[in-house]
Amino acid sequence: EVQLVESGGGLVQPGRSMKLSCAASGFTFSDYYMAWVRQAPKKGLEWVASISYEGSSTYYGDSVKGRFTISRDNAKSTLYLQMNSLRSEDTATYYCARRVPVDYWGQGVMVTVSS
Amino acid sequence: DVQMTQSPSYLAASPGESVSISCKASKSISNNLAWYQEKPGKANKLLIHSGSTLQSGTPSRFSGSGSGTDFTLTIRSLEFEDFAVYYCQQYNEYPLTFGSGTKLEIK
Repeated sequence: EVQLVESGGGLVQPGRSMKLSCAASGFTFSDYYMAWVRQAPKKGLEWVASISYEGSSTYYGDSVKGRFTISRDNAKSTLYLQMNSLRSEDTATYYCARRVPVDYWGQGVMVTVSS
Repeated sequence: DVQMTQSPSYLAASPGESVSISCKASKSISNNLAWYQEKPGKANKLLIHSGSTLQSGTPSRFSGSGSGTDFTLTIRSLEFEDFAVYYCQQYNEYPLTFGSGTKLEIK
């Protein structure tokens, strides 16, 4: 069974950093592009970033480019999202996603950016 | 960036009816268009990819059509479990973009 389990969310002050993790199981992690998708409260879905199989290629949404970094550790079957210079508008539930189009979603982790 | 214009944003219908949701891309995305269903407390579900290909497990009452810039999701003979929020997403080019969503409610 495919499972994607996010962790690392919580409350953080504006301007600070936070790192999200996503532990994957039930499939060969290195065989898939992975992505992060977020959803602000009462809003729609927003693609954040994607990463290629070995991590050599990364892609970012305009709103996070230069502040967020997606990475992966295939030996640990884990996806990461390093978020720097956080803003209030980054407040959202962040979902780990297998490939695009997304065939499996994590349950999501809430990130709240507030002073 | 490719802008995805989804309409309507809200739709009310009764079980047994058929509905259609439109998604228009600001430029051609070939058939690289997916449809998702969002329900409270459940993981989002991929319904259709490649514009019209049903994902495994998607009921046949769902169908997708279109290519280029204009796409449609149609649900025939609505069932209670279909009342949810639906999103389109283009994956033809980065940055990937979603439509703004359509909330389908029971009339």
